[in-house]
Amino acid sequence: GQNIDQPTEMTATEGAIVQINCTYQTSGFNGLFWYQQHAGEAPTFLSYNVLDGLEEKGRFSSFLSRSKGYSYLLLKELQMKDSASYLCAVVDSNYQLIWGAGTKLIIKP
Amino acid sequence: ETGVTQTPRHLVMGMTNKKSLKCEQHLGHNAMYWYKQSAKKPLELMFVYSLEERVENNSVPSRFSPECPNSSHLFLHLHTLQPEDSALYLCASSQVPGDPSYEQYFGPGTRLTVT
Repeated sequence: GQNIDQPTEMTATEGAIVQINCTYQTSGFNGLFWYQQHAGEAPTFLSYNVLDGLEEKGRFSSFLSRSKGYSYLLLKELQMKDSASYLCAVVDSNYQLIWGAGTKLIIKP
Repeated sequence: ETGVTQTPRHLVMGMTNKKSLKCEQHLGHNAMYWYKQSAKKPLELMFVYSLEERVENNSVPSRFSPECPNSSHLFLHLHTLQPEDSALYLCASSQVPGDPSYEQYFGPGTRLTVT
């Protein structure tokens, strides 16, 4: 079957760096998304990777290794407002979006 | 109004009630989606509409009935729900019809509680 794994919860300190991992096993691959979802709010788009490597966008970066079925989201200079859930989603060979359960990130002062 | 809006934001209904969830997108997109989000579970895709035609129905019970009267509006009609249907129901839209390789824009969701 198809599977997306990411940690349930992570804790980090304001100003630090945190890496949220996502591993996947899907029937085919047509890209990987990261979304951010604050409690009680809509998920919002962070990044899309379809080729191997690192994509940097301000304080956030996303990495993809297709051969390893692995991605991570790197958040630098953490701020309290980064406390949220981070959702990993893979587009499979049928162009279906397969979602992970999300990682709840808690930022402490 | 901008982006994707959903009403109501919160809904409590009994198992014998009939209610409808409404979604409206102001982005000029051609595809719209209904998702179910339960605590600590992955988002579950329920329905996809592309150019107002239903293109996906992921084995959703018939007590959920979608309707897409035009490319800007999407409804989810609910009847005789079960307590396990309590969840956050999210609507989303995207630019390219039915191709999830393109970013989806989500509404804030309707928090549904079935008593």
